Amino acid sequence: GQNIDQPTEMTATEGAIVQINCTYQTSGFNGLFWYQQHAGEAPTFLSYNVLDGLEEKGRFSSFLSRSKGYSYLLLKELQMKDSASYLCAAMDSNYQLIWGAGTKLIIKP
Amino acid sequence: IAGITQAPTSQILAAGRRMTLRCTQDMRHNAMYWYRQDLGLGLRLIHYSNTAGTTGKGEVPDGYSVSRANTDDFPLTLASAVPSQTSVYFCASSEGTRSVGEQFFGPGTRLTVL
Repeated sequence: GQNIDQPTEMTATEGAIVQINCTYQTSGFNGLFWYQQHAGEAPTFLSYNVLDGLEEKGRFSSFLSRSKGYSYLLLKELQMKDSASYLCAAMDSNYQLIWGAGTKLIIKP
Repeated sequence: IAGITQAPTSQILAAGRRMTLRCTQDMRHNAMYWYRQDLGLGLRLIHYSNTAGTTGKGEVPDGYSVSRANTDDFPLTLASAVPSQTSVYFCASSEGTRSVGEQFFGPGTRLTVL
């Protein structure tokens, strides 16, 4: 079957670094997406990886290992506004997104 | 309008009633999707449309129907609502059909079925 696993909740301190992990199992693979979702709002796109390695975009970076079925989202210099849920989603062979349940990130001052 | 709009924002509905959730996009995207989001679960695909005139079933299609008469609109209908359909419903769109591309989401409809 198809499955995405990510931690339910994480806590970090303002100004610090946090890494949110995601493992996936899909029928075929066409890339790994990360979305951010603030409470009561819609998900918004953060990053896309299809090749192994690290993609950096400002304070956010995303890593992919296809052989391990593993990705992580790295957030640096955490700000209070980064408090949100982070959704991992893998695209299968039919170009459908399989979503994880999301990781709620709590930032403390 | 810019992006995707959904209506209504929220709705309380009696079980057994019929309800249509509206979704409109102005980005001329080919593909559109309906998801439901429940606490502790990931977004689950209800129905999708790769292009105007075609629709397909997602992971949880039972109790829901969709139509795609034109590029912009993708309404979701609950023929006879049940309490288990209480959820937040998101409409999304993406540029390509069967291709890689980010999905853009509407603001969501919070539906409560009593």
